[in-house]
Amino acid sequence: AQTVTQSQPEMSVQEAETVTLSCTYDTSESDYYLFWYKQPPSRQMILVIRQEAYKQQNATENRFSVNFQKAAKSFSLKISDSQLGDAAMYFCAYRSAREAGANSKLTFGKGITLSVRP
Amino acid sequence: GAGVSQTPSNKVTEKGKYVELRCDPISGHTALYWYRQSLGQGPEFLIYFQGTGAADDSGLPNDRFFAVRPEGSVSTLKIQRTERGDSAVYLCASSFLDGYEQYFGPGTRLTVT
Repeated sequence: AQTVTQSQPEMSVQEAETVTLSCTYDTSESDYYLFWYKQPPSRQMILVIRQEAYKQQNATENRFSVNFQKAAKSFSLKISDSQLGDAAMYFCAYRSAREAGANSKLTFGKGITLSVRP
Repeated sequence: GAGVSQTPSNKVTEKGKYVELRCDPISGHTALYWYRQSLGQGPEFLIYFQGTGAADDSGLPNDRFFAVRPEGSVSTLKIQRTERGDSAVYLCASSFLDGYEQYFGPGTRLTVT
């Protein structure tokens, strides 16, 4: 079974600064997807960024980028130019890339609470 | 277009009662998922539907939990003889069958007193 570990329960960053959120995972599969989701107090999970395991290039979405280290099974999220609206819980998640169906479920880490200081 | 909707937003019930939680997925999404999120934790998978059938119900904690999706669209999660330990946020998500992104609803917060 796959596991996702987020060992930092909380982090804080100054507005306009950069912060990195850590995530490690364990799997015996070679092909999979990794995601970062944001969950504000409204509870709505919002996809921030995804990474396909077969791609060596790290994914980037505007101020958000990842550092994907497949051999180390590490998947960290970097937020640049942090904004007050970035304050939320962030979850790292894993999904198998085998055929759609039973393997499509997401396995989440425990999450990290990010606060942004004005 | 409209996103995933869930009703009710909040539900308070007494221990031992029966509850139903509803999920209305994005139109055209054939895959539907239920997750449960306890306080301070990440969501945990409960059940996955492809169309009308449950393709994977391995996450349901026990036989008090049951879910249906009779017409391949709206789904209902049913919990019998509720226990205080069932208190959590129940999240629903939908996606295209071969889509990588799951779109989540706002969840239903269930409180069992």
